[in-house]
Amino acid sequence: AQSVTQLDSQVPVFEEAPVELRCNYSSSVSVYLFWYVQYPNQGLQLLLKYLSGSTLVKGINGFEAEFNKSQTSFHLRKPSVHISDTAEYFCAVSEAAAGNKLTFGGGTRVLVKP
Amino acid sequence: ETGVTQTPRHLVMGMTNKKSLKCEQHLGHNAMYWYKQSAKKPLELMFVYNFKEQTENNSVPSRFSPECPNSSHLFLHLHTLQPEDSALYLCASSSGAGTGELFFGEGSRLTVL
Repeated sequence: AQSVTQLDSQVPVFEEAPVELRCNYSSSVSVYLFWYVQYPNQGLQLLLKYLSGSTLVKGINGFEAEFNKSQTSFHLRKPSVHISDTAEYFCAVSEAAAGNKLTFGGGTRVLVKP
Repeated sequence: ETGVTQTPRHLVMGMTNKKSLKCEQHLGHNAMYWYKQSAKKPLELMFVYNFKEQTENNSVPSRFSPECPNSSHLFLHLHTLQPEDSALYLCASSSGAGTGELFFGEGSRLTVL
């Protein structure tokens, strides 16, 4: 079985500043990794995913994440945030063989301040 | 309509009531899911259906009863719930490609009194 740990439950950040959200996972098999975002009063939507290939993955809205197998991490970054990036961000993992069965982390709430 | 639609968006029920949550997807997907989102807890996978067949029941109490009459519709029947069942219930769908992209509805906020 796999697990996901998001080390920060809340991250306050000023507008136009960079942000990094940390995610570590554990699994004994090959995995797929994901970041989802949940805006207030909405469901989750996919930001980006790593399946294979290049370890630097670019997603929507200027976000990117880097897969580090040796550190079992998949941290999410954005060089300059906007007010509209205020949301909760979830890291998720699935076994590569299991495809769509995702295990989610506890979420990181990002509050962008003007 | 497009995407994944959940109704009702808000539901308040007593512990002796029977109610149902409905989910409909217009994406042509083969798999549908129920997740529970509680405050301060990770999303919990409850049920998975592939081609209308239940393929996952994550040790969910029997007071939650899912139904999937076809690949586009998913229900969650609720009866004799407990206050700790109050949560946001999220429905999702995916294609059979196994690449992990789930499409979520906006959720049904359930309050059990």
